Order: sequence, then C-alpha cells, then structure tokens
Amino acid sequence: GNSVTQMEGPVTLSEEAFLTINCTYTATGYPSLFWYVQYPGEGLQLLLKATKADDKGSNKGFEATYRKETTSFHLEKGSVQVSDSAVYFCALSERKTSYDKVIFGPGTSLSVIP
Amino acid sequence: DAGVIQSPRHEVTEMGQEVTLRCKPISGHDYLFWYRQTMMRGLELLIYFNNNVPIDDSGMPEDRFSAKMPNASFSTLKIQPSEPRDSAVYFCASRLGTRFHEQYFGPGTRLTVT
Repeated sequence: GNSVTQMEGPVTLSEEAFLTINCTYTATGYPSLFWYVQYPGEGLQLLLKATKADDKGSNKGFEATYRKETTSFHLEKGSVQVSDSAVYFCALSERKTSYDKVIFGPGTSLSVIP
Repeated sequence: DAGVIQSPRHEVTEMGQEVTLRCKPISGHDYLFWYRQTMMRGLELLIYFNNNVPIDDSGMPEDRFSAKMPNASFSTLKIQPSEPRDSAVYFCASRLGTRFHEQYFGPGTRLTVT
C-alpha cells in the first residue's frame, strides 16, 4: 500500500545550521505531497505543499521539491532558528476510490540549540 | 474563522468510564478526520467523514470506539469503556475538497485514563 517514510529523529542542530529532513513515499498514482509542522502542545499545521512533479513548495524559509523520479520530498532550510524546534511530518494525499485519503509519516523531531 | 474547535482540551477519567470528545470543523469544510497521537505509535488516522458520512473507519482500534457526525458542524468520538491504553492526544481535522488542499487541525484533546 501507499506509505511515507521519514528519517528518524531526533535531530539536533545549532542555530543557523543547514537542515535537511528526508522523506520518501510509495504511491500508485499521482499524490499531492505536504509538510506539516507541530509545535509543542499544538495541533499540526501546514508548512508547505506540492501538487505535481517538479513543483517546489516553500514557506518561512523552508523548501521541498516534488521528485517523482526518486519518489522524494525532502525538507530543507538554509539557516534554522530556535523557533523552528518542532516535529515535522511528511504526508501524501492520494485518491482512494472516490475519496482522498491522507497518509502521514512518523514525524521527525527537530531541536535547535542557541 | 475560529478554526477547528475541540473540547475538552484535557480529560482525565478512570478506567471503565465513558469518554466523549467533541469537534466543530471549519464552516464549509466537507471532510472531517479523527486522529490519535501517542509516542509509541505516532499519528494514527482513526476515521474520516465526507459530507457527514463515515468513509473509512479501518483505523478505529476496536468496538469500544465509535464516531458520529450528525451534521456538518459537529462530530463526536466516544470511547466506552475507556482503558489506560487509550491515553493519548486526539486530534480532529477538517478539509475543504480534494487531496490538493490542506487539512486544518484542532488543538487536540489530551486524554488520560487512570
């Protein structure tokens, strides 16, 4: 079945370091891809998305490119801040019969230290 | 819009008691999702509705769990009887339309069963 795999955490970085969180997916069709972020004590919120191959999603300095050839959607940021400390979820949304189902990865915890 | 509203935010109950969690989706959204989040199992989709109709309840752990959506602005998740292993954070999310669109999550209900 369809699935999402993320690099295991926790990831600890110093402020201003470069961030990469790997995400790969398995899907039979043409899913939309998302990154969600969960700050402590809160629900998930959308960080960025891409709906077709080669699209680049970007927001708040984060970027991810939909790579169909490698079935990947890696999250990157050039310079992380302490406020980026959170759990990051990669997700795909697929068509399942007549309805759209979302599959989330396990999440990657990021801690940024001053 | 106020976003997805969940109540209560925290619930502590004793084993064997009935627990009812409530959700008000964003007005106009036609999909509603219930998730459970634990450290051990991550984020799990329990059930989702489209236009108030349950579409996929394959994630509901057992018969002790039930969910209803009597109208477009209200949904409940009930656990009867509750057990300590049900302790988790339960999220409700809603979405408008297809897989190209993001889900909006509520703040969650932290359930503790003693």
